[in-house]
Amino acid sequence: DAGVIQSPRHEVTEMGQEVTLRCKPISGHNSLFWYRQTMMRGLELLIYFNNNVPIDDSGMPEDRFSAKMPNASFSTLKIQPSEPRDSAVYFCASTGTAGNTIYFGEGSWLTVV
Amino acid sequence: DAKTTQPPSMDCAEGRAANLPCNHSTISGNEYVYWYRQIHSQGPQYIIHGLKNNETNEMASLIITEDRKSSTLILPHATLRDTAVYYCIAKNSGGSNYKLTFGKGTLLTVNP
Repeated sequence: DAGVIQSPRHEVTEMGQEVTLRCKPISGHNSLFWYRQTMMRGLELLIYFNNNVPIDDSGMPEDRFSAKMPNASFSTLKIQPSEPRDSAVYFCASTGTAGNTIYFGEGSWLTVV
Repeated sequence: DAKTTQPPSMDCAEGRAANLPCNHSTISGNEYVYWYRQIHSQGPQYIIHGLKNNETNEMASLIITEDRKSSTLILPHATLRDTAVYYCIAKNSGGSNYKLTFGKGTLLTVNP
């Protein structure tokens, strides 16, 4: 079982650039989550999808952030334009219909300079 | 979801049992207690969950008090690789509420 796969694992970008983070959920899972983790705020839920449809995006910080899930096996989180305060670890996670166990990827470590 | 309270940090000697407490005094009848952990530089990892009965799996045991206001996660023989932040979360299981809300957790340090 490949688990939740995220890319890139590490990204360093300049302020103002567009950043795209990618996620492949576990095959067969129908819910997908994007979390952000910082020292100051801990783990925060940004958005979650059920059956490819965004259900709750109340955690998305502002209009610079957008997330899409064009199909059951792929999701993106985009930041445009990026700012230094966006520096964080971004985790993607997925779960199946029962929703008892949420599986996390290894994270994408983003640094905006 | 009910609020949970955990100590910020704990120490444990390698090979000994690690007992991590969690208070959830406002938990409702249909909320489960979930435990996740996060090893440094990795994503959170599911450990165990339960409603009111004690639960055991290959990773840990979960003891829930009869009134369900608190619980204890037990790692029976802690190893250095168990050093991590442990999160206790109260939430409904399945249905339309899949959200996990993480608090600050307990940093468990297993010492040689």
